[in-house]
Amino acid sequence: ETGVTQTPRHLVMGMTNKKSLKCEQHLGHNAMYWYKQSAKKPLELMFVYSLEERVENNSVPSRFSPECPNSSHLFLHLHTLQPEDSALYLCASSRTGGLTFYNEQFFGPGTRLTVL
Amino acid sequence: QKEVEQDPGPLSVPEGAIVSLNCTYSNSAFQYFMWYRQYSRKGPELLMYTYSSGNKEDGRFTAQVDKSSKYISLFIRDSQPSDSATYLCAMSEPGNQFYFGTGTSLTVIP
Repeated sequence: ETGVTQTPRHLVMGMTNKKSLKCEQHLGHNAMYWYKQSAKKPLELMFVYSLEERVENNSVPSRFSPECPNSSHLFLHLHTLQPEDSALYLCASSRTGGLTFYNEQFFGPGTRLTVL
Repeated sequence: QKEVEQDPGPLSVPEGAIVSLNCTYSNSAFQYFMWYRQYSRKGPELLMYTYSSGNKEDGRFTAQVDKSSKYISLFIRDSQPSDSATYLCAMSEPGNQFYFGTGTSLTVIP
């Protein structure tokens, strides 16, 4: 495997289910991110994990819970989601955690989530 | 008011055409400007970036920043079917998070 991989690629879940999204980066990077991409809306940064810090977007509901056990793996735990949470969830990684343009982020293909 | 405005399209052009993609923004403190390309069923990939004002050229692609008008553009010359994708602009203040546009869907017809 190369780059950033995400599993599953597609997920359909009910509002009462609990599921997890997985991301793995094979680039030797030290920072990982979760983004939400909804139709006709800007890409929304949800969480950042790096050696330096963990950053949360305060507008992200608590039904989304990130976990980063090491610098190569990132999870997004989902519980009691709402239909408006249906979106493409993208994982990204970068060499360091600084949110600067030259710290290029490499994106995975995303998990298409549908909440019924 | 949104931080970044981008026309979602869709935009459809014949092969060989010059394509102009644009974004406007409201925050005059933005210094870094980026363009990402996202193919169907893929994540975004960084295409070009510029700092402050001016132009940057890379092959068939040219990025322009006009800070006085708070307006950025991406030009694609001699467009190819392989350029068909969604193009997202993004920008940030130094050391702060990126703000993305909604993306413009482009189709280049052979």
